[in-house]
Amino acid sequence: ILNVEQSPQSLHVQEGDSTNFTCSFPSSNFYALHWYRWETAKSPEALFVMTLNGDEKKKGRISATLNTKEGYSYLYIKGSQPEDSATYLCAPSRGNTDKLIFGTGTRLQVFP
Amino acid sequence: EADIYQTPRYLVIGTGKKITLECSQTMGHDKMYWYQQDPGMELHLIHYSYGVNSTEKGDLSSESTVSRIRTEHFPLTLESARPSHTSQYLCASSAIPGYTEAFFGQGTRLTVV
Repeated sequence: ILNVEQSPQSLHVQEGDSTNFTCSFPSSNFYALHWYRWETAKSPEALFVMTLNGDEKKKGRISATLNTKEGYSYLYIKGSQPEDSATYLCAPSRGNTDKLIFGTGTRLQVFP
Repeated sequence: EADIYQTPRYLVIGTGKKITLECSQTMGHDKMYWYQQDPGMELHLIHYSYGVNSTEKGDLSSESTVSRIRTEHFPLTLESARPSHTSQYLCASSAIPGYTEAFFGQGTRLTVV
């Protein structure tokens, strides 16, 4: 079983605050790391797929970094908005035949 | 927008009934997945498929079964529904397993009474 940990489990921030969360995963046999956003009453949507150690990806106010040697990835949201409220999921992959196993998720609530 | 569809969106059914949850995608993806999520809980993988005639169990044991006779279609069946099967079921697909993003359907919320 692939041990994927996400922290914190939940987060409440004020509009305009910047925030970040962590995804920890086994560093052995690393292939790719996925980040998804799951808004209430919608389906999960991919944010990033990262493969290279030291990689940094950005989409608007959201960015992510990857450390494959130590087995973690950070997701940052700059200037949080209420529409950022969602559960953020990560899923590491160990190869192109690997199943996609998600972490427990970080539930973010942004208050106006 | 993702071209992956699940039907029905909501289903309330009595104990002991046989049910099939449908999942279809028009993207030609070989890899397909079924996930289960109980309210407030994690998203657990229950079945996946690498392609036609390939199916495997996921990390969470499930009494459901799946089939993959066509690339685009990955139905999930419960032979005899029980209240413990009440959950949300999400279907997903991806092009290159593990390397490209997965696309999710809208989900089926199943309630067994």
